[in-house]
Amino acid sequence: QSALTQPRSVSGSPGQSVTISCTGTSSDVGGYNYVSWYQQHPGKGPKLMIYDVSKRPSGVPDRFSGSKSGNTASLTISGLQSEDEADYYCCSYAGMYTHYVFGTGTKVTVL
Amino acid sequence: QLQLQESGPGLVKPSETLSLTCTVSGGSISTSYYWGWIRQPPGKGLEWIGSIYYSGSTYYNPSLRSRVTISVDTSKNQFSLKLSSVTAADTAVYYCARATTRDFDFWGQGSLVTVSS
Repeated sequence: QSALTQPRSVSGSPGQSVTISCTGTSSDVGGYNYVSWYQQHPGKGPKLMIYDVSKRPSGVPDRFSGSKSGNTASLTISGLQSEDEADYYCCSYAGMYTHYVFGTGTKVTVL
Repeated sequence: QLQLQESGPGLVKPSETLSLTCTVSGGSISTSYYWGWIRQPPGKGLEWIGSIYYSGSTYYNPSLRSRVTISVDTSKNQFSLKLSSVTAADTAVYYCARATTRDFDFWGQGSLVTVSS
């Protein structure tokens, strides 16, 4: 099972919006509505930001939103803030044999 | 607030077995959740290793299945990872996390394990 494909980096100015894509196959992203997104600051453990494609856990700002079309999921950060600068990883359920597959990771830079 | 903390040796010799324990606090491990291990080689992405239910039911990443054993000790509110026959490619930060059937909602801070003689 190959890792999901994400852009290596994206950047934006404070207040702008950025979107991170996560491309898989019909066996993972396209086959289930079980895509999650994680934020990771340097030296820290990942934090769940989005689950079930578009749901936000309690405490996650509504600036973070998720969506999916076909085999590609997306995370959008609106009103970019300096604290959003971090690495972001997508993850998809991939069936009862593989279970979970993560994305390659995207570094978000706030200019 | 649920907290998870990894512990174990930071250095393991090639061909030996890596062993880590995750201690869960602020909640019981005997709940309707799975508990998982995920690793991250230096400068690279995340890789799911395997997960366990408090009853002992397990499932593993097919690429690591032959070398991985995950166990649970409900009396200590802990679960553990053993990875056998390690090589330098197993050098990584190892995270424990609470797992639903489709995501990981609470994570530990991570434990760096280096494989070197």
